[in-house]
Amino acid sequence: ETGVTQTPRHLVMGMTNKKSLKCEQHLGHNAMYWYKQSAKKPLELMFVYSLEERVENNSVPSRFSPECPNSSHLFLHLHTLQPEDSALYLCASSQDRGKNEQFFGPGTRLTVL
Amino acid sequence: AQSVAQPEDQVNVAEGNPLTVKCTYSVSGNPYLFWYVQYPNRGLQFLLKYITGDNLVKGSYGFEAEFNKSQTSFHLKKPSALVSDSALYFCAVRSSDSWGKLQFGAGTQVVVTP
Repeated sequence: ETGVTQTPRHLVMGMTNKKSLKCEQHLGHNAMYWYKQSAKKPLELMFVYSLEERVENNSVPSRFSPECPNSSHLFLHLHTLQPEDSALYLCASSQDRGKNEQFFGPGTRLTVL
Repeated sequence: AQSVAQPEDQVNVAEGNPLTVKCTYSVSGNPYLFWYVQYPNRGLQFLLKYITGDNLVKGSYGFEAEFNKSQTSFHLKKPSALVSDSALYFCAVRSSDSWGKLQFGAGTQVVVTP
């Protein structure tokens, strides 16, 4: 719908599992973002990549590990998560990081049991 | 530091009536302001932005927003609401002075009744 796709759309995992979220943008943008959206809380920025280099990491626990192999793809590797990590994880992209709007994917609904 | 306030958790409006969603901000330097909408089980969709120039900004789906520097506000408006406008609306701000992150408000749920 917006040129940013995310897979899977839904994920249920145990606390000992390892899984990965994938994001792909088809817009030719050079910045990509991971956000966490929890119920009744503002959108939380987790990571920012600009030209495939991580430029921001907002004190995210090490059980979340991002990877940006190229400007079109962004991954979020998950391991030993906690139930409070259950949320909607949104990927976004933009052309540069200044005044250009971000385009969001549909999100991955993650449930940690 | 930058912050965004959306003072209303929910706005209820009858179809055909004007819709206003409020947003105030605090930022050092000049603000870049954005509005996004989120439908259930979907990502955020960009509606409009203010960077510079005319204080009245027109966006998608008939929405517009007015930048008011003295009141540090950027309220979203639509002259005649539709039932399909029912969704969660987010205001966001970034400072022009830095590469700082885009700060989102907590969101306002809009409910348009037939």
